[in-house]
Amino acid sequence: SQQGEEDPQALSIQEGENATMNCSYKTSINNLQWYRQNSGRGLVHLILIRSNEREKHSGRLRVTLDTSKKSSSLLITASRAADTASYFCATDDAGGTSYGKLTFGQGTILTVHP
Amino acid sequence: DAGITQSPRHKVTETGTPVTLRCHQTENHRYMYWYRQDPGHGLRLIHYSYGVKDTDKGEVSDGYSVSRSKTEDFLLTLESATSSQTSVYFCAISESPTTSGGSNEQFFGPGTRLTVL
Repeated sequence: SQQGEEDPQALSIQEGENATMNCSYKTSINNLQWYRQNSGRGLVHLILIRSNEREKHSGRLRVTLDTSKKSSSLLITASRAADTASYFCATDDAGGTSYGKLTFGQGTILTVHP
Repeated sequence: DAGITQSPRHKVTETGTPVTLRCHQTENHRYMYWYRQDPGHGLRLIHYSYGVKDTDKGEVSDGYSVSRSKTEDFLLTLESATSSQTSVYFCAISESPTTSGGSNEQFFGPGTRLTVL
């Protein structure tokens, strides 16, 4: 079963605009991660936020985590055409021995028009 | 890019034939994972390994087996391929799990596109 559910499934914006993607999950987590996938390529890690953190920044990326609502958001500011990709959230579920396993959401397809 | 390669990159096979996909890493990471990616399902974990000869099942393991005889290689075998196993397969590696205080960021290979006719 999928832990992360992402919203929206697809997002289309103009260059320079901000893009916000949301992820909801069901169980307690150790951390939540965001990945990007360009068409035909493997996933690339973007940012990790731990369960005791509420907000994290990396360049044009801002991630928030609300453990009470079991949700996270990824904000990409001043988007560029090169940001066009699929974005996935992934959770490291708490409890037991995880062996580093992650549970991925279905992803948001972001299209940034020049 | 992390040193992860997958072979073959593309394969077309017939129903009922065995297929083996290979993942090779040069990072000396302990943890390795096989995922499949299908439209509408995101990435789903097939099997994973937490050391040489140490493997376990993931979410969608039926019809798949794995082996890890060396740190650098993780093999995924479809014993008798079916059309439902047509998918893109990704290998990933991780240095440490959260339980050891590390970050379980995963690094992905380029993928193998498998078509079962």
